[in-house]
Amino acid sequence: EAGVVQSPRYKIIEKKQPVAFWCNPISGHNTLYWYLQNLGQGPELLIRYENEEAVDDSQLPKDRFSAERLKGVDSTLKIQPAELGDSAVYLCASSTSSTNTGELFFGEGSRLTVL
Amino acid sequence: RKEVEQDPGPFNVPEGATVAFNCTYSNSASQSFFWYRQDCRKEPKLLMSVYSSGNEDGRFTAQLNRASQYISLLIRDSKLSDSATYLCVVNGGNFGNEKLTFGTGTRLTIIP
Repeated sequence: EAGVVQSPRYKIIEKKQPVAFWCNPISGHNTLYWYLQNLGQGPELLIRYENEEAVDDSQLPKDRFSAERLKGVDSTLKIQPAELGDSAVYLCASSTSSTNTGELFFGEGSRLTVL
Repeated sequence: RKEVEQDPGPFNVPEGATVAFNCTYSNSASQSFFWYRQDCRKEPKLLMSVYSSGNEDGRFTAQLNRASQYISLLIRDSKLSDSATYLCVVNGGNFGNEKLTFGTGTRLTIIP
């Protein structure tokens, strides 16, 4: 079974440029998460989707970040314009929403460097 | 106070030794608890859940102390392959509405 797929794996951009990340969750997983992870820190939730509905976006900086999951499957996370402080790893994860097992399946992440 | 706090380490432990980490959480209503493992430049993966009665999986033992609001992870007979960052995760949400908060992680290096 395929895991969570993210692209691109690495992205280097100059500040003020836009960037987008894509995530394909595990088939059948209704819940999708975007996390941000800085070096030496744990993942921090940006947004959580249940199917196509964003049920928790309280930590998403909405002035420059946006996300969508139009058909309840794939998702994109966009930053526009990027700032130096946005350099981090952006992790996508998915889980089944029917249980509270706490098991999230993460993708390998998209490592962003803003110059 | 952070929702989930861990000693970042690093813990440098000789192979074969026993090592333990603690993690404290601030929300007394937290429902469930987990330990994740993250290898260098890799994604986090679930190591084990933490049950009220404590649970053991091979060389790994997890404990929960609700009164003092902490969870622990014990690794016995440590192996070189145990070198990783161990993330404490606390679910402050209700069933079907998870609110998982990750700690900063404790970095463990097993020394030959």
